[in-house]
Amino acid sequence: GAVVSQHPSWVICKSGTSVKIECRSLDFQATTMFWYRQFPKQSLMLMATSNEGSKATYEQGVEKDKFLINHASLTLSTLTVTSAHPEDSSFYICSVTRGGLIETQYFGPGTRLLVL
Amino acid sequence: DAKTTQPTSMDCAEGRAANLPCNHSTISGNEYVYWYRQIHSQGPQYIIHGLKNNETNEMASLIITEDRKSSTLILPHATLRDTAVYYCIVRVSQGAQKLVFGQGTRLTINP
Repeated sequence: GAVVSQHPSWVICKSGTSVKIECRSLDFQATTMFWYRQFPKQSLMLMATSNEGSKATYEQGVEKDKFLINHASLTLSTLTVTSAHPEDSSFYICSVTRGGLIETQYFGPGTRLLVL
Repeated sequence: DAKTTQPTSMDCAEGRAANLPCNHSTISGNEYVYWYRQIHSQGPQYIIHGLKNNETNEMASLIITEDRKSSTLILPHATLRDTAVYYCIVRVSQGAQKLVFGQGTRLTINP
């Protein structure tokens, strides 16, 4: 498999502030990482695809200026929620794609964000 | 990627086999069937994947019908810790493709 960590595991912030979430691939170099968001009682929704050394690809309806993604190294991708509002409160999950004959995605433990 | 259909919820007694069905009638020849589960407030956990042959690992078995239009995930001896939402996803195996999650099946293991 693959070991993926996220930091922080949970965060509470005031409305209007920015929050940075880190996703690390601990045991292999990940060219591609994905960022998902999950609201209560809903399924995971892909936000963006993060590629090392290039700009992220955002899904339709996801504001790239609000959700800044930086994939500066093969083991670290960051998601920054800028000017957070209560409606941004959610569970944010990253994943990495481990290649080979058959690709498999492995997920981090998630970060719960609460914006007051 | 092909769409999948799963029952919304299922119950199973602890110690019994849990059989979770998934329909994927529009699956393409190069698409694999992947299963993940999500325990409450955690990230999804990879379980197993397959193309057309039945597969087994330490977590579960995957049975894929000959026409590949449906599959069944089998947890042979369910425990309380297997209570989770189980997702069946079909996608190609290469190209760093995204996973599209449906609503999954909420499996409850009862003591």
